[in-house]
Amino acid sequence: DAKTTQPNSMESNEEEPVHLPCNHSTISGTDYIHWYRQLPSQGPEYVIHGLTSNVNNRMASLAIAEDRKSSTLILHRATLRDAAVYYCIHDSRDSNYQLIWGAGTKLIIKP
Amino acid sequence: ETGVTQTPRHLVMGMTNKKSLKCEQHLGHNAMYWYKQSAKKPLELMFVYSLEERVENNSVPSRFSPECPNSSHLFLHLHTLQPEDSALYLCASSQVGTRGGYNEQFFGPGTRLTVL
Repeated sequence: DAKTTQPNSMESNEEEPVHLPCNHSTISGTDYIHWYRQLPSQGPEYVIHGLTSNVNNRMASLAIAEDRKSSTLILHRATLRDAAVYYCIHDSRDSNYQLIWGAGTKLIIKP
Repeated sequence: ETGVTQTPRHLVMGMTNKKSLKCEQHLGHNAMYWYKQSAKKPLELMFVYSLEERVENNSVPSRFSPECPNSSHLFLHLHTLQPEDSALYLCASSQVGTRGGYNEQFFGPGTRLTVL
């Protein structure tokens, strides 16, 4: 079964880079990895997604390992507003609509 | 404001009640989703309506019944729920291409459901 594994929580200082890891060892060739984040009392918010190569957007970068069994979400300069729970999601396209969310990493930003 | 609204925001119901959750998206998307978020558990995808086709997670009990009358509206009908069904129910929408897969989903704020 598709599955993702993330650390329960991480701490970082404000204005420093943050690297959030995710293991997805059951990934297959056509499966995507998505990242969302959820601020308190809100629904999740899209961050980034990718397949094989590294991806960048205005919010973050996604570094995908060469064997695709792990990935890292990179926030280049964390602010207090980045404090949230970050979810790594395995988009398994072998099965119909398999979208497996991880348990999430609670990111704590220290001023 | 994500363009996805949900009502009600909070709901308390007894196990014998029948209630419905409503979701509306103003983004012109062609797919809508229901998720369940329980405390200390990963989000669970319950139902998907995509390009007028319904797909569901086979582990969702029949006491949850979705309805999608058009591409902008989604309902979740609830009947004879159990206390363990208490959770945050999230609705989302996205634009799905002909090759399938998941594009960026936009979430509503959720309905906090308590079953007594």
